[in-house]
Amino acid sequence: QKEVEQNSGPLSVPEGAIASLNCTYSDRGSQSFFWYRQYSGKSPELIMSIYSNGDKEDGRFTAQLNKASQYVSLLIRDSQPSDSATYLCAVNINYGGSQGNLIFGKGTKLSVKP
Amino acid sequence: EPEVTQTPSHQVTQMGQEVILRCVPISNHLYFYWYRQILGQKVEFLVSFYNNEISEKSEIFDDQFSVERPDGSNFTLKIRSTKLEDSAMYFCASSSGYSNQPQHFGDGTRLSIL
Repeated sequence: QKEVEQNSGPLSVPEGAIASLNCTYSDRGSQSFFWYRQYSGKSPELIMSIYSNGDKEDGRFTAQLNKASQYVSLLIRDSQPSDSATYLCAVNINYGGSQGNLIFGKGTKLSVKP
Repeated sequence: EPEVTQTPSHQVTQMGQEVILRCVPISNHLYFYWYRQILGQKVEFLVSFYNNEISEKSEIFDDQFSVERPDGSNFTLKIRSTKLEDSAMYFCASSSGYSNQPQHFGDGTRLSIL
């Protein structure tokens, strides 16, 4: 059974602080890793993608991947109240050249307090 | 920016009735997906579709479900005889099909079975 685990939170941080969101996955065959943001009642919105070990930065967001530890994280710098949402970690496993489907974690609810 | 569009936004149906959910993927994308999210739960993969046939399907996607690409733009999910437990948000997603490319989600259809 392929699993993606996230702390459900809520994670509460003050405005301007760094929010750190974590995710672990069970299948070592996982090749692609994504962070989606989901506001209440809305659809998942792609924030970041990462494919190789290390850090990837995009604006206030940094994704970190450690395949040996089967761990992926998302850092949000200078957190804003508008960042308050549920953050979904998703993992894509490609077999035999097919595109593969996404396996999602339950999400971490982030609350940024003004 | 191109986006995935879904109709209707909300569908209310009597148990046992057939329902068709519609999606227009991003125009140059080749892979199409359906996911569902039961209220308060995680996003779950249903089916992926490429080159006019199903690539993968989950255990949820039983004989009551079918997908079709009736023309060059639409991608539909049909539930033949709806059950109460089919009540959920249904998301369509598409990707360019190149290895590891992210999946982009539509706004979803909220399906309510009475």
